[in-house]
Amino acid sequence: EPEVTQTPSHQVTQMGQEVILRCVPISNHLYFYWYRQILGQKVEFLVSFYNNEISEKSEIFDDQFSVERPDGSNFTLKIRSTKLEDSAMYFCASRPTTVTSNQPQHFGDGTRLSIL
Amino acid sequence: QKEVEQDPGPLSVPEGAIVSLNCTYSNSAFQYFMWYRQYSRKGPELLMYTYSSGNKEDGRFTAQVDKSSKYISLFIRDSQPSDSATYLCAMSPPNNDMRFGAGTRLTVKP
Repeated sequence: EPEVTQTPSHQVTQMGQEVILRCVPISNHLYFYWYRQILGQKVEFLVSFYNNEISEKSEIFDDQFSVERPDGSNFTLKIRSTKLEDSAMYFCASRPTTVTSNQPQHFGDGTRLSIL
Repeated sequence: QKEVEQDPGPLSVPEGAIVSLNCTYSNSAFQYFMWYRQYSRKGPELLMYTYSSGNKEDGRFTAQVDKSSKYISLFIRDSQPSDSATYLCAMSPPNNDMRFGAGTRLTVKP
């Protein structure tokens, strides 16, 4: 069964450094997402991406964050000037889209980001 | 009021018990309702997906949506230790993005 894959599984970075989290969505999916889950807390929506542009973003997704689809398969989340509070699991998700219905999202297993 | 409310638990039941998990919501535009299961250090895994009100059954799992009360439920029959996980409700309006509940941590004891 096709799945969303994320790399790396664990990223350790010094505070203030930039980090890029990578995702390969399911190949025929058209909507892509990033979510964050701080340890012990709920899954929080960051951003959605469709047709090579951001379609929606939350208040968490400020100028520190950016997303990109650099080629036909990868979808990346860049975090600049990382802070301690950026430590969390970051999940990528994707879904197909149809004209008449909203399809559920499928998630990767996440990247655990640890900021030191 | 939070857009999606879910009791985080924890909930502990003996093997074989019927489990009832619930969420309430405030946004009447929500039309798509999902339940995800999340094992420790893994991503959310889609369990059930329903549109509008009514029931949907899949094996030991039944999802129920009551739009008039803005209330959704997930029932697990004959619960197994392998069902121990965090269960997340999620919902969205048409052509829009999901909002999650806080997740309920379930432990099924042998």
